[in-house]
Amino acid sequence: GAGVSQSPRYKVAKRGQDVALRCDPISGHVSLFWYQQALGQGPEFLTYFQNEAQLDKSGLPSDRFFAERPEGSVSTLKIQRTQQEDSAVYLCASSLAFGQETQYFGPGTRLLVL
Amino acid sequence: KQEVTQIPAALSVPEGENLVLNCSFTDSAIYNLQWFRQDPGKGLTSLLLIQSSQREQTSGRLNASLDKSSGRSTLYIAASQPGDSATYLCAVMVTNDYKLSFGAGTTVTVRA
Repeated sequence: GAGVSQSPRYKVAKRGQDVALRCDPISGHVSLFWYQQALGQGPEFLTYFQNEAQLDKSGLPSDRFFAERPEGSVSTLKIQRTQQEDSAVYLCASSLAFGQETQYFGPGTRLLVL
Repeated sequence: KQEVTQIPAALSVPEGENLVLNCSFTDSAIYNLQWFRQDPGKGLTSLLLIQSSQREQTSGRLNASLDKSSGRSTLYIAASQPGDSATYLCAVMVTNDYKLSFGAGTTVTVRA
C-alpha cells in the first residue's frame, strides 16, 4: 500500500488478556518506530527497529511489552497481561533509511483495557 | 531529556481569524522540528518540517518559524476555516537521535 497500515484499528481487551498489534510499514522502509499516545497527550516513543534489529527499546514501559520485526518488514507489538493503564493509541511510523529521515505515521490502534 | 510544551492547550476562533500556535523545547541541539495535524481517531499528518539550519517553512496558508536559540517555534495558520479544526502537535528530533519528542498538542476549533 501507499502508506503505513495498522491492525486492528480498535481493540478491547479484558484486564489480564494478551494482545498483539500489527504494523505494516511503507514498502522498503528500513526504520520502524512504535509510539504510545495516552488520551490528551502527545505520542511517547516506545521502540525503534532498523531492519530486523531492535536498536532501542528504552521507551517500553514494562517487561510486559515486547516488539518484534523478524523479517525486517511487518512489526508486531505484543502486550502481555494487559492493565488498564495500557489503554492508549499505539502508533507505528516508518522512515526510508536511518532514523533521522522523515517518519510517516499509520492511523494507530486504539486499545481499551477494561 | 527533551521537554516539549505547547501553549495554549485549546483554542476556539471564528472562521477567518488567523491562528497562532506556540511550541517550546528545552534542548536547543535539535536536528529538526515538525508540526503535525491529528484528527479525532486518526493518525498524524505531517504539515511542515523545519531543519535546524532553517528559520521558517511555508505551505499554503501555513507558516512555521523556528528560533533554536530561544527554543521556540510558532505555527501560523492564515484565514482559518472550519476544516482546520484538529489537534496540532509539535515534535522535535534532537541531534544524534532518531526519536521524536512530542508536545501534548493544541486543540483548535474554528467556528463557522
